[in-house]
Amino acid sequence: KQEVTQIPAALSVPEGENLVLNCSFTDSAIYNLQWFRQDPGKGLTSLLLIQSSQREQTSGRLNASLDKSSGRSTLYIAASQPGDSATYLCAVTRNTGNQFYFGTGTSLTVIP
Amino acid sequence: DARVTQTPRHKVTEMGQEVTMRCQPILGHNTVFWYRQTMMQGLELLAYFRNRAPLDDSGMPKDRFSAEMPDATLATLKIQPSEPRDSAVYFCASGLVKGTNYGYTFGSGTRLTVV
Repeated sequence: KQEVTQIPAALSVPEGENLVLNCSFTDSAIYNLQWFRQDPGKGLTSLLLIQSSQREQTSGRLNASLDKSSGRSTLYIAASQPGDSATYLCAVTRNTGNQFYFGTGTSLTVIP
Repeated sequence: DARVTQTPRHKVTEMGQEVTMRCQPILGHNTVFWYRQTMMQGLELLAYFRNRAPLDDSGMPKDRFSAEMPDATLATLKIQPSEPRDSAVYFCASGLVKGTNYGYTFGSGTRLTVV
């Protein structure tokens, strides 16, 4: 069974800092990896999707990388803002069946 | 923007009552998931469908949970009888899988409280 781990569980940074969130998975046979954001009491918003053949994806201040062989992905947030405060989740899709597994999330607080 | 619509947003019910949650996937999406989120367990997959056929429901307690897709525009998750431990937020997600997986879109969830 695929296990997805996110470290750290919580992170607090001052506004303007660049930061990195980590996601690791035990089975490298993934189809793709997706990063989501979840605000308190809300649903999940997709941020970036990386197919297994890709190394990274960028959207605005966000950059996600994928290293399948080491079972790792990182989400880089540049020039953090208070509005970035949320829980960030990564999810990997299995090579077959397209079922996807979530990590436990990183709760990010950006202090003004 | 295309959205996954879930109803109701909130539901409070007494233990033993039947609960039905509904999901309208994005038009054209052929894959629908049901997830449950709790503080203790995080996001757990309950069931998912491809082209309305159930592919995996191993995450569901079969004795009380059932999931169906009566048509391509509606997915339902039913709990009968409900128990306090079923209290959680239930999310539906849909996506298009056709040779390539283009990622999934989540609904806003149904917050269920069983008292």
